[in-house]
Amino acid sequence: QKEVEQDPGPLSVPEGAIVSLNCTYSNSAFQYFMWYRQYSRKGPELLMYTYSSGNKEDGRFTAQVDKSSKYISLFIRDSQPSDSATYLCAMSANNYGQNFVFGPGTRLSVLP
Amino acid sequence: EPEVTQTPSHQVTQMGQEVILRCVPISNHLYFYWYRQILGQKVEFLVSFYNNEISEKSEIFDDQFSVERPDGSNFTLKIRSTKLEDSAMYFCASRDNPDREYHGYTFGSGTRLTVV
Repeated sequence: QKEVEQDPGPLSVPEGAIVSLNCTYSNSAFQYFMWYRQYSRKGPELLMYTYSSGNKEDGRFTAQVDKSSKYISLFIRDSQPSDSATYLCAMSANNYGQNFVFGPGTRLSVLP
Repeated sequence: EPEVTQTPSHQVTQMGQEVILRCVPISNHLYFYWYRQILGQKVEFLVSFYNNEISEKSEIFDDQFSVERPDGSNFTLKIRSTKLEDSAMYFCASRDNPDREYHGYTFGSGTRLTVV
Protein backbone atom coordinates (compact mmCIF):
# COMPACT_ATOMS: atom_id res chain seq x y z
CA GLN A 1 0.00 0.00 0.00
CA LYS A 2 1.34 3.42 -0.95
CA GLU A 3 1.93 5.76 1.95
CA VAL A 4 -0.26 8.54 0.53
CA GLU A 5 -2.86 7.98 -2.16
CA GLN A 6 -4.74 10.54 -4.19
CA ASP A 7 -7.00 10.25 -7.21
CA PRO A 8 -4.93 11.68 -10.09
CA GLY A 9 -7.94 12.94 -12.02
CA PRO A 10 -8.26 14.84 -14.22
CA LEU A 11 -11.28 16.33 -12.54
CA SER A 12 -13.31 18.76 -14.64
CA VAL A 13 -16.00 20.93 -13.09
CA PRO A 14 -18.01 23.97 -14.25
CA GLU A 15 -17.21 27.37 -12.82
CA GLY A 16 -18.99 27.95 -9.52
CA ALA A 17 -19.08 24.27 -8.56
CA ILE A 18 -17.96 22.95 -5.19
CA VAL A 19 -14.86 20.81 -5.60
CA SER A 20 -13.88 18.00 -3.25
CA LEU A 21 -10.32 16.69 -3.32
CA ASN A 22 -9.22 13.81 -1.13
CA CYS A 23 -6.21 11.87 0.10
CA THR A 24 -5.88 8.70 2.11
CA TYR A 25 -2.80 7.65 3.99
CA SER A 26 -1.49 4.66 5.86
CA ASN A 27 0.93 6.08 8.43
CA SER A 28 -0.94 6.77 11.67
CA ALA A 29 2.00 8.89 12.90
CA PHE A 30 1.11 11.72 10.51
CA GLN A 31 -0.18 14.75 12.39
CA TYR A 32 0.49 17.69 10.07
CA PHE A 33 -1.46 17.87 6.86
CA MET A 34 -1.00 20.32 4.04
CA TRP A 35 -2.56 21.10 0.71
CA TYR A 36 -0.46 22.61 -2.04
CA ARG A 37 -1.52 24.01 -5.38
CA GLN A 38 0.83 23.57 -8.31
CA TYR A 39 0.41 25.35 -11.60
CA SER A 40 2.02 23.85 -14.66
CA ARG A 41 5.83 24.05 -14.51
CA LYS A 42 5.73 25.95 -11.21
CA GLY A 43 6.64 25.02 -7.67
CA PRO A 44 4.00 23.91 -5.17
CA GLU A 45 2.31 26.75 -3.30
CA LEU A 46 0.98 26.18 0.21
CA LEU A 47 -2.79 26.60 0.44
CA MET A 48 -3.77 25.13 3.78
CA TYR A 49 -2.24 23.35 6.71
CA THR A 50 -3.96 21.54 9.55
CA TYR A 51 -2.70 19.97 12.70
CA SER A 52 -4.33 16.73 13.82
CA SER A 53 -8.05 16.23 13.19
CA GLY A 54 -10.64 18.86 12.48
CA ASN A 55 -11.57 21.53 9.98
CA LYS A 56 -9.89 24.71 8.89
CA GLU A 57 -11.39 27.36 6.64
CA ASP A 58 -9.68 30.09 4.64
CA GLY A 59 -11.84 32.02 2.22
CA ARG A 60 -13.19 29.61 -0.39
CA PHE A 61 -11.03 26.74 0.88
CA THR A 62 -11.85 24.30 3.67
CA ALA A 63 -9.51 21.55 4.82
CA GLN A 64 -10.78 18.57 6.79
CA VAL A 65 -8.79 15.88 8.54
CA ASP A 66 -10.22 12.61 9.84
CA LYS A 67 -7.36 10.81 11.52
CA SER A 68 -9.52 7.89 12.57
CA SER A 69 -10.20 7.14 8.91
CA LYS A 70 -6.78 8.35 7.71
CA TYR A 71 -8.54 10.61 5.25
CA ILE A 72 -8.13 14.27 4.43
CA SER A 73 -10.13 16.55 2.16
CA LEU A 74 -9.91 19.95 0.56
CA PHE A 75 -13.11 21.68 -0.48
CA ILE A 76 -13.14 24.60 -2.88
CA ARG A 77 -16.33 26.66 -2.97
CA ASP A 78 -17.39 28.80 -5.92
CA SER A 79 -14.58 27.37 -8.03
CA GLN A 80 -12.95 29.65 -10.58
CA PRO A 81 -11.02 28.94 -13.79
CA SER A 82 -7.95 30.27 -11.96
CA ASP A 83 -8.27 27.31 -9.57
CA SER A 84 -7.30 25.01 -12.45
CA ALA A 85 -4.10 23.38 -11.25
CA THR A 86 -2.77 20.22 -9.68
CA TYR A 87 -3.53 19.88 -5.98
CA LEU A 88 -1.07 18.01 -3.83
CA CYS A 89 -1.67 16.76 -0.34
CA ALA A 90 1.35 16.42 1.92
CA MET A 91 1.80 15.22 5.45
CA SER A 92 4.40 14.72 8.13
CA ALA A 93 4.68 13.19 11.56
CA ASN A 94 5.88 16.23 13.49
CA ASN A 95 6.72 19.89 13.22
CA TYR A 96 10.38 19.06 13.09
CA GLY A 97 9.74 16.55 10.36
CA GLN A 98 12.57 16.80 7.95
CA ASN A 99 10.49 15.93 5.00
CA PHE A 100 6.92 15.65 3.94
CA VAL A 101 5.33 12.80 2.09
CA PHE A 102 3.44 14.07 -0.92
CA GLY A 103 0.51 12.54 -2.67
CA PRO A 104 0.76 12.23 -6.45
CA GLY A 105 -1.64 15.13 -7.00
CA THR A 106 -5.09 15.61 -8.52
CA ARG A 107 -5.35 17.66 -11.69
CA LEU A 108 -8.35 19.99 -11.58
CA SER A 109 -9.86 21.89 -14.49
CA VAL A 110 -12.54 24.50 -13.82
CA LEU A 111 -14.35 25.26 -17.03
CA PRO A 112 -15.75 28.78 -17.64
CA GLU B 1 6.12 38.49 -0.38
CA PRO B 2 9.44 36.70 0.19
CA GLU B 3 10.36 34.14 -2.46
CA VAL B 4 12.66 31.21 -2.94
CA THR B 5 14.59 31.86 -6.13
CA GLN B 6 16.01 29.13 -8.32
CA THR B 7 18.38 29.36 -11.26
CA PRO B 8 18.50 28.39 -14.02
CA SER B 9 14.86 27.75 -14.85
CA HIS B 10 15.86 25.17 -17.45
CA GLN B 11 19.14 23.35 -17.97
CA VAL B 12 20.04 20.88 -20.66
CA THR B 13 23.12 18.76 -20.10
CA GLN B 14 24.78 15.78 -21.67
CA MET B 15 24.78 12.45 -19.88
CA GLY B 16 27.84 12.12 -17.69
CA GLN B 17 28.27 15.86 -17.16
CA GLU B 18 28.09 17.60 -13.80
CA VAL B 19 25.39 20.17 -13.09
CA ILE B 20 24.89 22.63 -10.26
CA LEU B 21 21.42 23.86 -9.47
CA ARG B 22 21.21 27.05 -7.48
CA CYS B 23 18.73 28.32 -4.95
CA VAL B 24 18.42 31.43 -2.83
CA PRO B 25 16.17 30.57 0.12
CA ILE B 26 14.16 33.13 2.07
CA SER B 27 16.65 35.09 4.11
CA ASN B 28 15.46 34.33 7.65
CA HIS B 29 14.70 30.67 7.01
CA LEU B 30 16.77 28.03 8.71
CA TYR B 31 15.88 24.75 7.01
CA PHE B 32 16.54 24.05 3.36
CA TYR B 33 15.40 21.24 1.14
CA TRP B 34 15.68 19.80 -2.32
CA TYR B 35 12.84 17.88 -3.88
CA ARG B 36 12.47 16.52 -7.37
CA GLN B 37 9.47 15.75 -9.53
CA ILE B 38 9.84 13.51 -12.54
CA LEU B 39 7.35 14.48 -15.23
CA GLY B 40 3.91 13.15 -14.35
CA GLN B 41 5.03 11.76 -11.00
CA LYS B 42 4.84 12.90 -7.42
CA VAL B 43 7.13 15.30 -5.62
CA GLU B 44 9.93 13.31 -3.95
CA PHE B 45 12.15 14.34 -1.08
CA LEU B 46 15.88 14.37 -1.74
CA VAL B 47 17.62 16.06 1.17
CA SER B 48 17.22 18.47 4.05
CA PHE B 49 19.91 20.81 5.33
CA TYR B 50 20.17 22.62 8.63
CA ASN B 51 23.00 24.32 10.47
CA ASN B 52 25.37 23.77 7.56
CA GLU B 53 24.96 20.05 7.36
CA ILE B 54 22.66 17.44 5.90
CA SER B 55 20.03 16.49 8.45
CA GLU B 56 18.23 13.86 6.43
CA LYS B 57 18.40 12.35 2.96
CA SER B 58 16.37 9.89 0.98
CA GLU B 59 17.61 6.81 -0.79
CA ILE B 60 17.41 8.77 -4.03
CA PHE B 61 20.17 11.06 -2.72
CA ASP B 62 23.10 8.77 -3.45
CA ASP B 63 26.78 9.54 -3.90
CA GLN B 64 26.22 11.38 -7.17
CA PHE B 65 24.40 14.14 -5.29
CA SER B 66 25.79 16.73 -2.94
CA VAL B 67 24.54 19.95 -1.39
CA GLU B 68 26.34 23.00 -0.21
CA ARG B 69 25.65 26.39 1.29
CA PRO B 70 28.75 28.17 0.05
CA ASP B 71 27.81 31.56 1.49
CA GLY B 72 25.05 33.08 3.58
CA SER B 73 22.49 33.14 0.81
CA ASN B 74 22.95 30.39 -1.78
CA PHE B 75 22.05 26.73 -1.44
CA THR B 76 23.22 24.43 -4.24
CA LEU B 77 22.54 20.93 -5.43
CA LYS B 78 25.30 19.29 -7.43
CA ILE B 79 24.72 16.22 -9.53
CA ARG B 80 27.89 14.51 -10.67
CA SER B 81 27.88 12.40 -13.80
CA THR B 82 24.24 12.95 -14.71
CA LYS B 83 22.11 10.08 -15.98
CA LEU B 84 19.09 10.16 -18.27
CA GLU B 85 16.84 9.30 -15.34
CA ASP B 86 17.96 12.45 -13.51
CA SER B 87 15.77 14.44 -15.90
CA ALA B 88 13.15 16.08 -13.69
CA MET B 89 12.02 19.31 -12.11
CA TYR B 90 14.14 20.08 -9.07
CA PHE B 91 12.55 22.21 -6.39
CA CYS B 92 14.30 24.01 -3.60
CA ALA B 93 12.29 24.82 -0.48
CA SER B 94 12.93 26.56 2.79
CA ARG B 95 11.25 26.81 6.19
CA ASP B 96 11.29 29.12 9.13
CA ASN B 97 12.12 28.04 12.65
CA PRO B 98 9.79 25.13 13.46
CA ASP B 99 9.36 26.46 17.00
CA ARG B 100 7.09 29.00 15.40
CA GLU B 101 3.68 28.16 14.11
CA TYR B 102 3.91 25.56 11.45
CA HIS B 103 3.25 26.90 8.01
CA GLY B 104 4.89 24.53 5.64
CA TYR B 105 7.56 25.05 3.10
CA THR B 106 8.01 27.82 0.61
CA PHE B 107 9.00 26.32 -2.70
CA GLY B 108 10.90 27.89 -5.55
CA SER B 109 9.62 27.67 -9.11
CA GLY B 110 12.02 24.88 -9.91
CA THR B 111 14.78 24.06 -12.35
CA ARG B 112 13.85 21.77 -15.19
CA LEU B 113 16.82 19.52 -15.82
CA THR B 114 16.97 17.65 -19.10
CA VAL B 115 19.74 15.09 -19.55
CA VAL B 116 20.35 14.09 -23.16
